[in-house]
Amino acid sequence: AQSVTQLGSHVSVSEGALVLLRCNYSSSVPPYLFWYVQYPNQGLQLLLKYTTGATLVKGINGFEAEFKKSETSFHLTKPSAHMSDAAEYFCAVRDTGGFKTIFGAGTRLFVKA
Amino acid sequence: NAGVTQTPKFQVLKTGQSMTLQCAQDMNHEYMSWYRQDPGMGLRLIHYSVGAGITDQGEVPNGYNVSRSTTEDFPLRLLSAAPSQTSVYFCASSLTSGGVETQYFGPGTRLLVL
Repeated sequence: AQSVTQLGSHVSVSEGALVLLRCNYSSSVPPYLFWYVQYPNQGLQLLLKYTTGATLVKGINGFEAEFKKSETSFHLTKPSAHMSDAAEYFCAVRDTGGFKTIFGAGTRLFVKA
Repeated sequence: NAGVTQTPKFQVLKTGQSMTLQCAQDMNHEYMSWYRQDPGMGLRLIHYSVGAGITDQGEVPNGYNVSRSTTEDFPLRLLSAAPSQTSVYFCASSLTSGGVETQYFGPGTRLLVL
């Protein structure tokens, strides 16, 4: 069965510092991997996705993630945090050809001035 | 496009009451789904539909019914509400391009069952 583990329910960084949100997955077949962002009282918005090909994926708002098969990881990074990045971030996995997306528990990012 | 719309935004029910959460999309997406979001648990799939007339169960289907009579609408029914169904409910529709699905989420419905 597929599963997603996000390490750290809360992450706090200073404005301008590196953002690193960790995600590890379990899947019996090559997966599709996603990162979503949720701002307060809103639905989820897709940040980026990995399907096949290049393992470094660039998304919106300066975020990127790298698929590492050997580590079963898909960590999300951003070189310099902005106050507007404060939100909850969800990692998700989906089997290729499947219909079900499994979400991690989420990581809330706090950005300090 | 209005995207994915959900009504109501908020609802308070008493245990045992029934209600329908509405979801509509105007993007002609075939795939639609319902999730519930609870603190510390991320989103869990309740039911999904791959097209009009076709529905299937997700991770947590018990206590919920769905139907898909049109491409646009995918209502979620609670037949007899329970306090355990207090949650935030999200509807999503999906576009598949290049073999990969991208989900678009509605703004959510906050449900409190007393």
